[in-house]
Amino acid sequence: GIQVEQSPPDLILQEGANSTLRCNFSDSVNNLQWFHQNPWGQLINLFYIPSGTKQNGRLSATTVATERYSLLYISSSQTTDSGVYFCAVDRRRSNFGNEKLTFGTGTRLTIIP
Amino acid sequence: DSGVTQTPKHLITATGQRVTLRCSPRSGDLSVYWYQQSLDQGLQFLIQYYNGEERAKGNILERFSAQQFPDLHSELNLSSLELGDSALYFCASSVGGQGFQETQYFGPGTRLLVL
Repeated sequence: GIQVEQSPPDLILQEGANSTLRCNFSDSVNNLQWFHQNPWGQLINLFYIPSGTKQNGRLSATTVATERYSLLYISSSQTTDSGVYFCAVDRRRSNFGNEKLTFGTGTRLTIIP
Repeated sequence: DSGVTQTPKHLITATGQRVTLRCSPRSGDLSVYWYQQSLDQGLQFLIQYYNGEERAKGNILERFSAQQFPDLHSELNLSSLELGDSALYFCASSVGGQGFQETQYFGPGTRLLVL
C-alpha cells in the first residue's frame, strides 16, 4: 500500500516562531488532508489539499502532487498550536471504493511560551 | 465543540466481549466516518456511511461492524474483543457524500480498554 512519511517527528519551538511540517507519500494520490490533534485528543480537520496552496489564518498548506509531498506552514506559533499534526492520503478518484485513507505517523509540535 | 457526540466516553471490558459505540453527527450532516487510534497502528480509517448506506471501507476487521440508522446516528459494534482492540475510537461527520474532499468534524472519541 501507499506509504506516508512525516517529518520531523518532533518539533519544539518558542512562541512566535514559524514552522514547516512535511508529508511525503510514495504514490500518486487524489486526496490529501491535514489534521491537528490537540493535547486533549481532539481531532480537527485543517485542510483538504490534493494539489496547490491553501491558507487559513496563520496556517497554510502546499501540495506538489507531481513530486509527492505536502508542506504545512504555521506562522507566528501560539501555544494552542501544540499537538500532533497528521497528513492522510488516498488514491480514490471518486468517493466510492475500498482504497484506504492512509495516515502518516504525525509530527508532534510543542510551542513553549 | 464540533457538534458531533460520542457515547460512552470511556469503556472498560474484558477479552471476548462485545461492545457498541454510538455516534450522533452534526445536525444536517449525512456522512459518518469511524476511525481507530492505537499506539500500535496509529490512526486508521475504518468505515464511512452516507445517508444510511456504506460508502467506503478501510481497515475494518471482520469482527467489527457498523451501521447508520434512519435518524443518521451511527453505531460501531466490536465483538470478540482482543487486547489489541484497546484504542481511541473517533467518529466524524460531514455534510455530503464527497468523503475526504469535505471537511470532517470529529467527536471527542470513545476510549476503549480491553483487559
